[in-house]
Amino acid sequence: EAGVTQSPTHLIKTRGQQATLRCSPISGHTSVYWYQQALGLGLQFLLWYDEGEERNRGNFPPRFSGRQFPNYSSELNVNALELEDSALYLCASSVLAGVGTDTQYFGPGTRLTVL
Amino acid sequence: AQTVTQSQPEMSVQEAETVTLSCTYDTSENNYYLFWYKQPPSRQMILVIRQEAYKQQNATENRFSVNFQKAAKSFSLKISDSQLGDTAMYFCAFMTNFGNEKLTFGTGTRLTIIP
Repeated sequence: EAGVTQSPTHLIKTRGQQATLRCSPISGHTSVYWYQQALGLGLQFLLWYDEGEERNRGNFPPRFSGRQFPNYSSELNVNALELEDSALYLCASSVLAGVGTDTQYFGPGTRLTVL
Repeated sequence: AQTVTQSQPEMSVQEAETVTLSCTYDTSENNYYLFWYKQPPSRQMILVIRQEAYKQQNATENRFSVNFQKAAKSFSLKISDSQLGDTAMYFCAFMTNFGNEKLTFGTGTRLTIIP
């Protein structure tokens, strides 16, 4: 069974540009989560999507946004990039949301570098 | 708000020895889930073990076991017969139930297994 996949592996942008990161969940998983792992800040929850809807959002500005497609894959968009957005962005998926809590399985991450 | 504390930034142990990683958390919830994830240098976040707060029995997965003390809000991970492949960052994580399914992570413990 294929795990969570993310693309691209690495992404280099300049300040002010927009970045788009993609995630495909494990087959059968409907929930997708995004986390940011920045140096010195640890792992922080960004967004949670389930059945195409944004269910929860972490303490991040509105320029961090995303969506979930009918096939449950997801995009994370970061607008007006700032230097401090440089981080590893991890996507995770789980089976069911809101019906008990199921384990989140992570992808390999996208390393975003903002110059 | 929930917090997760890992007080050991780095640890090292000889191969084949046993090591225990500490984790404490703070919450007012009664139903929740606790996890240990490992993140090797490849950066893929891998689930090690999961514990449901309503279960009194400590979870075990092969060489990995936890000591879950609910009253003390403590959730330590014991790795027996440590192997070189156990070298990684280990993160303790907390999740509440009922539709607020974001993981709150500790700051991690960098574990090095010495040959």
